[in-house]
Amino acid sequence: DQQVKQNSPSLSVQEGRISILNCDYTNSMFDYFLWYKKYPAEGPTFLISISSIKDKNEDGRFTVFLNKSAKHLSLHIVPSQPGDSAVYFCAAPRPSSNTGKLIFGQGTTLQVKP
Amino acid sequence: DTAVSQTPKYLVTQMGNDKSIKCEQNLGHDTMYWYKQDSKKFLKIMFSYNNKELIINETVPNRFSPKSPDKAHLNLHINSLELGDSAVYFCASSGTGGYQETQYFGPGTRLLVL
Repeated sequence: DQQVKQNSPSLSVQEGRISILNCDYTNSMFDYFLWYKKYPAEGPTFLISISSIKDKNEDGRFTVFLNKSAKHLSLHIVPSQPGDSAVYFCAAPRPSSNTGKLIFGQGTTLQVKP
Repeated sequence: DTAVSQTPKYLVTQMGNDKSIKCEQNLGHDTMYWYKQDSKKFLKIMFSYNNKELIINETVPNRFSPKSPDKAHLNLHINSLELGDSAVYFCASSGTGGYQETQYFGPGTRLLVL
């Protein structure tokens, strides 16, 4: 049972435009979400997070939006740059685990074309 | 200086063999993790150790045995390797293993079982 889903395996955008990566979850008990970015042959690196008490968190060109009623979050990258080309994972810690037991989506590969 | 390092980066071996993957972190963290990324690209947690003590043990065959000689190291030993063990294995660490802590990942070990 995959509780965190990224239904778009890939996304291609033009440099300078907005990239929107989507993530859906099924467990309404999730209260914290993270986005990780992964380059080929490297491990995932933390990008941005959001707590369920907020509906938006911004860090430079990256903004994450959370819609709790729809159990949906999205990562916006504006403007997109070729260096943003990577795989993006959405993740959430398992509720009530009181540990860093992250549940990951399957990732979306973003390609930003110059 | 690499924060979380893994050796080897690549491992090709025959079915039935026993192999080990090593992980070291120099971040001073108390908690370390092993994740498996399968062919469908899902990242799933396998184990977590906090200060050398096992705190997360997902449903993983007992052919997989983690060992933490000290809190900076978490090794993964796999007995009687099977074809289905082929995957990328990521080590990660976080401060105290808390619910919302950022996890820092190693570069991954690509295991191919023939």
